[in-house]
Amino acid sequence: EDQVTQSPEALRLQEGESSSLNCSYTVSGLRGLFWYRQDPGKGPEFLFTLYSAGEEKEKERLKATLTKKESFLHITAPKPEDSATYLCAVQTYGGSQGNLIFGKGTKLSVKP
Amino acid sequence: DTAVSQTPKYLVTQMGNDKSIKCEQNLGHDTMYWYKQDSKKFLKIMFSYNNKELIINETVPNRFSPKSPDKAHLNLHINSLELGDSAVYFCASSQVRSGNTIYFGEGSWLTVV
Repeated sequence: EDQVTQSPEALRLQEGESSSLNCSYTVSGLRGLFWYRQDPGKGPEFLFTLYSAGEEKEKERLKATLTKKESFLHITAPKPEDSATYLCAVQTYGGSQGNLIFGKGTKLSVKP
Repeated sequence: DTAVSQTPKYLVTQMGNDKSIKCEQNLGHDTMYWYKQDSKKFLKIMFSYNNKELIINETVPNRFSPKSPDKAHLNLHINSLELGDSAVYFCASSQVRSGNTIYFGEGSWLTVV
């Protein structure tokens, strides 16, 4: 069965304290891995798509990387406005194209 | 302009009632979806429509039915509401031929009492 596991469930950082969020996956065939950000009371906001091992993408203080078994979301010198829940999801070749399988998310809190 | 919009944002209703949630996208996408986020914040797909054809239905009770009057709209109808239907329902859309990135609406908070 296709699965996505995110760790840690919650992460508290001081402003400027860099860290990484982990997303490990077990799928029959990876079509793409997606990172989303979700603020309280809002819908998931798209951040990145990664398609193959070794691929990296950056946006401001965020950098996403992908291996054959996991993805990392690196946060460099975070600010309080980076506080949110970060969701990882995969699309597989075995499933229908729109079927995103989500992890449970990592809730990030950045204190000033 | 909101890309994926859904109404209502909040809905409180009694058990046994029938309700609908509307969704519209102005991105010109060819596929629309409904996702459910439960009390544990776990997001799971319910339906998707591509060119007005249902292509996913993931073990969802038949009390839930999607209706798509056109490519830009996918409404969710729920009959005989139960307490366990309380959740946040997200509409989403994507363009399958262009990377298939899925964009979500703001969510509809359904509470069944």
